[in-house]
Amino acid sequence: SAVISQKPSRDICQRGTSLTIQCQVDSQVTMMFWYRQQPGQSLTLIATANQGSEATYESGFVIDKFPISRPNLTFSTLTVSNMSPEDSSIYLCSVDGPGELFFGEGSRLTVL
Amino acid sequence: KNEVEQSPQNLTAQEGEFITINCSYSVGISALHWLQQHPGGGIVSLFMLSSGKKKHGRLIATINIQEKHSSLHITASHPRDSAVYICAVRTGNQFYFGTGTSLTVIP
Repeated sequence: SAVISQKPSRDICQRGTSLTIQCQVDSQVTMMFWYRQQPGQSLTLIATANQGSEATYESGFVIDKFPISRPNLTFSTLTVSNMSPEDSSIYLCSVDGPGELFFGEGSRLTVL
Repeated sequence: KNEVEQSPQNLTAQEGEFITINCSYSVGISALHWLQQHPGGGIVSLFMLSSGKKKHGRLIATINIQEKHSSLHITASHPRDSAVYICAVRTGNQFYFGTGTSLTVIP
């Protein structure tokens, strides 16, 4: 199994600012996934982060807006840049284990 | 068109009732996951299925690969079961998620 510590759990941000979300996994994993969950919506994959290479972004998401770091096999960050109210969402990191999906506790961002 | 459809979208039940949540999908899958999301946003994995049926405590999950359908059952529901239940399917390295079923169990 894997335990993921994600922070911050929630934040209220001003328009135009940036916020970095951190995820720490208690074991080494090859791929980490970053998801966005807008109010009342399902999870949408933002990008897949592999250690030692550039993150792979899904359609509609770009590196300038959501830069990702993956410095080692247990840690990753997602930055939400130049935030607008439309970025108000829950952001979750996830890893894929044998027989199970593991998620962080989620970061609930509100952009004013 | 969503690859994963869940029903119902919202469900309110009295404590003790038997609950069923349904999931239909349109893609070929290697596995199907049932997830539970609590109000704070954190998500917990309940089951992974590739065939048949699994049971854990009061929770039962079934899958019919031919019909591309899965159900999650909760027996003797309890207020602490109140959460959003999400169906997710895996195809290759890609996951598709349903929009979730919001369950409220009233004492």
